[in-house]
Amino acid sequence: DSGVTQTPKHLITATGQRVTLRCSPRSGDLSVYWYQQSLDQGLQFLIQYYNGEERAKGNILERFSAQQFPDLHSELNLSSLELGDSALYFCASSVDGRDAEQYFGPGTRLTVT
Amino acid sequence: GENVEQHPSTLSVQEGDSAVIKCTYSDSASNYFPWYKQELGKGPQLIIDIRSNVGEKKDQRIAVTLNKTAKHFSLHITETQPEDSAVYFCAASINYGQNFVFGPGTRLSVLP
Repeated sequence: DSGVTQTPKHLITATGQRVTLRCSPRSGDLSVYWYQQSLDQGLQFLIQYYNGEERAKGNILERFSAQQFPDLHSELNLSSLELGDSALYFCASSVDGRDAEQYFGPGTRLTVT
Repeated sequence: GENVEQHPSTLSVQEGDSAVIKCTYSDSASNYFPWYKQELGKGPQLIIDIRSNVGEKKDQRIAVTLNKTAKHFSLHITETQPEDSAVYFCAASINYGQNFVFGPGTRLSVLP
């Protein structure tokens, strides 16, 4: 158990809908990262937050957005969902967001029908 | 941008044998190379990492080597056990703990 928690574990929704995935980092970690894992694209970095501020951006679609709250938990919002958005979404956290190891949560499996 | 290739895509070994997984990266500015193990239904778990100022790092049965000139790094697992069976991912970063680019993964099966 990495100490990173993610909810929900599974999510099934229809095309065009909007969902919110939630992540709580390990105690003491200030940085949160979001990743998407799909069969065709593999594991891809989406976005990073550090202490409430966006730190780095990867292959995140404009339909997706994220934020990190004062209590350091983070939410990933996915809107106008398409079938191709079906994937595992992982959150990871690290102490300083710059020079430390990343620890992954168990993931949220999103299925878009 | 950075591109990470990983070979082989699948690997089967007998229990007790060694397993080697190789990754190459394209950006010579990459300076951090972690390896993750992912078991079915779980998130990736960091098993070992290496920074660009080090050529080799070992942790019990696991070792990682880095060749900056050739831009490749390898994971070595000795005395493999059935519980080593999983998918292994390498990654590279040009900024230590940020912007990881992952390889496509290697499915390792350790046969008893």
